[in-house]
Amino acid sequence: DSGVTQTPKHLITATGQRVTLRCSPRSGDLSVYWYQQSLDQGLQFLIQYYNGEERAKGNILERFSAQQFPDLHSELNLSSLELGDSALYFCASSVQGGGTGELFFGEGSRLTVL
Amino acid sequence: GEDVEQSLFLSVREGDSSVINCTYTDSSSTYLYWYKQEPGAGLQLLTYIFSNMDMKQDQRLTVLLNKKDKHLSLRIADTQTGDSAIYFCAETQTGANNLFFGTGTRLTVIP
Repeated sequence: DSGVTQTPKHLITATGQRVTLRCSPRSGDLSVYWYQQSLDQGLQFLIQYYNGEERAKGNILERFSAQQFPDLHSELNLSSLELGDSALYFCASSVQGGGTGELFFGEGSRLTVL
Repeated sequence: GEDVEQSLFLSVREGDSSVINCTYTDSSSTYLYWYKQEPGAGLQLLTYIFSNMDMKQDQRLTVLLNKKDKHLSLRIADTQTGDSAIYFCAETQTGANNLFFGTGTRLTVIP
């Protein structure tokens, strides 16, 4: 158990819909990262927050947004969903914002768009 | 970052050694990592190496780094069926905020 909690574990929805994925980082970790894992593109970095502020942005679509709340949990919002958004979405956390620390991953939220 | 490449599949027989390879493009990479993803689980850090090192050994795991060729490898000695998983190489630089992951190599251990 990494200490990172993601909900829901599975989600099935239709094209055009909007979903919210939630992540609770390990206790004491200030940084939260979101990754998308799809079969054809491996693990893609989406976005990182550190202590409530956006720290780095990767290949995140404009239809996607995220935030980190004062209690450090984070939400990833996916809107106008397309079939290609079907993937496993991982949240990870680390103590610091820098890349030298270990990332602790949750078990992921599997999104299926029909 | 940002270009980290791995072969997609590797099959080995139980008891043999496995070697998983990774190439990266960023010469300023300072930390290189190997993560393991078991079925239905998130990624878990296996080991890491600083760019000023050539080799790191940790029990059955040996990491080799050829900085000139930007090539990283993970050797698993005496591979067991429990080692079957996807192995991700990742890199970052000092002060950077993110790890960039390779595509992952799916290791299958044949009993």
